[in-house]
Amino acid sequence: DGGITQSPKYLFRKEGQNVTLSCEQNLNHDAMYWYRQDPGQGLRLIYYSQIVNDFQKGDIAEGYSVSREKKESFPLTVTSAQKNPTAFYLCASSILLAGGAKNIQYFGAGTRLSVL
Amino acid sequence: SQQGEEDPQALSIQEGENATMNCSYKTSINNLQWYRQNSGRGLVHLILIRSNEREKHSGRLRVTLDTSKKSSSLLITASRAADTASYFCATRDTDKLIFGTGTRLQVFP
Repeated sequence: DGGITQSPKYLFRKEGQNVTLSCEQNLNHDAMYWYRQDPGQGLRLIYYSQIVNDFQKGDIAEGYSVSREKKESFPLTVTSAQKNPTAFYLCASSILLAGGAKNIQYFGAGTRLSVL
Repeated sequence: SQQGEEDPQALSIQEGENATMNCSYKTSINNLQWYRQNSGRGLVHLILIRSNEREKHSGRLRVTLDTSKKSSSLLITASRAADTASYFCATRDTDKLIFGTGTRLQVFP
């Protein structure tokens, strides 16, 4: 069963706490992405990675960190520096074609993060 | 930065009616994609249209692209209650996608 698995589905963070959201894919995709979605809004890119051990900041990287130690995994840490972390977080992956012509993304089911 | 802006923000129709949503974007594109999101779920890719195409069909979906106006439209024909979802357009910006703000479609049985 191929796809992207995000865990947990729901997560609660206390003040001053770092929390880590998991994203695993078995699609053999090179590129992985993290997005934040606020209620009734579109997606905003947090971080993305095109190759193991390399990643780039998106539009709203402040207060977040990522790692890409394995091709299959791209965990996102929401640090205590992120003062408004309550949101729906989506992970995606895609193939990297020569010239990046298509770049269709495949999404996980999301993690809903709330602050206690 | 959000490249695409969907219009309308929300749309309510009866089953069997057609639903049309529009997307406007700002810069030149290689292709434009449409995605669907059911409430509380991830996005699912629906259709991709290349910049040299004007119209594309997939089942009950019809997408048009007007690069001179920097706009695209998604038409869902003979809508069903199961089509209730948010729909997003997305355009490529070098090595990443930029998503629009979405149209929330409600189809009443």
